[in-house]
Amino acid sequence: QVQLVESGGDFVKPGGSLRLSCAASGFTFSDYLMSWIRQTPGQGLEWISSISFRGSPIYYADSVRGRFTASRDNAKNSLYLNMSSLRAEDTAIYYCVCQESNYLDTSAFDYWGQGTPVTVSS
Amino acid sequence: SELTQPPSVSVSPGQTARISCSGDQLGEKYACWYQKKPGQSPVLVIYQDTKRPSGIPERISGSTSGNTATLTISGTEAIDEADYYCQAWESGSAVFGGGTKLTVL
Repeated sequence: QVQLVESGGDFVKPGGSLRLSCAASGFTFSDYLMSWIRQTPGQGLEWISSISFRGSPIYYADSVRGRFTASRDNAKNSLYLNMSSLRAEDTAIYYCVCQESNYLDTSAFDYWGQGTPVTVSS
Repeated sequence: SELTQPPSVSVSPGQTARISCSGDQLGEKYACWYQKKPGQSPVLVIYQDTKRPSGIPERISGSTSGNTATLTISGTEAIDEADYYCQAWESGSAVFGGGTKLTVL
């Protein structure tokens, strides 16, 4: 079955950097779109980024564009999120998500990892 | 653009719960719905407006009318108590509604 396992979440100071990883298994990773979505404490879901099955194009939310970089390594069945210039408002649980599609506009967030927590605080 | 959901909906066990999601030109896009329980990851319950993933019970359904998508849960059970989020794509960005807390009284 589909498994998505995130790692890398940590406690970091404002302005710091962090790299999240997601190990995928149970499906043909290189066939599908992948995304990062977060949920801030007590708040709703916020889409962060989606990356095409080939690794390009990559789409970003305005709130993270220029600070976060998504990437994938299809040979390693892995998804990554490099986060820099972190702010307190980036504090959230970050989910790795698989979309069983190659077409963004018709896709859904089909499978979710368990999430990894990121806390940005001085 | 934004997707607007009611903050909360309450229903008695066995009754029908309806959660709305409205947005500009939503009728021209596909809506998805996700169920989120405390301490658990979100689960896709409806995609492409009306389709149910495997494993989602038939009493959960989706519909659209104009620029409003609706999630309907028939014969609501205690296990349905959760936050529900609608989502759509716009210009290469995914937009989520603010979420609706479904309480089964």
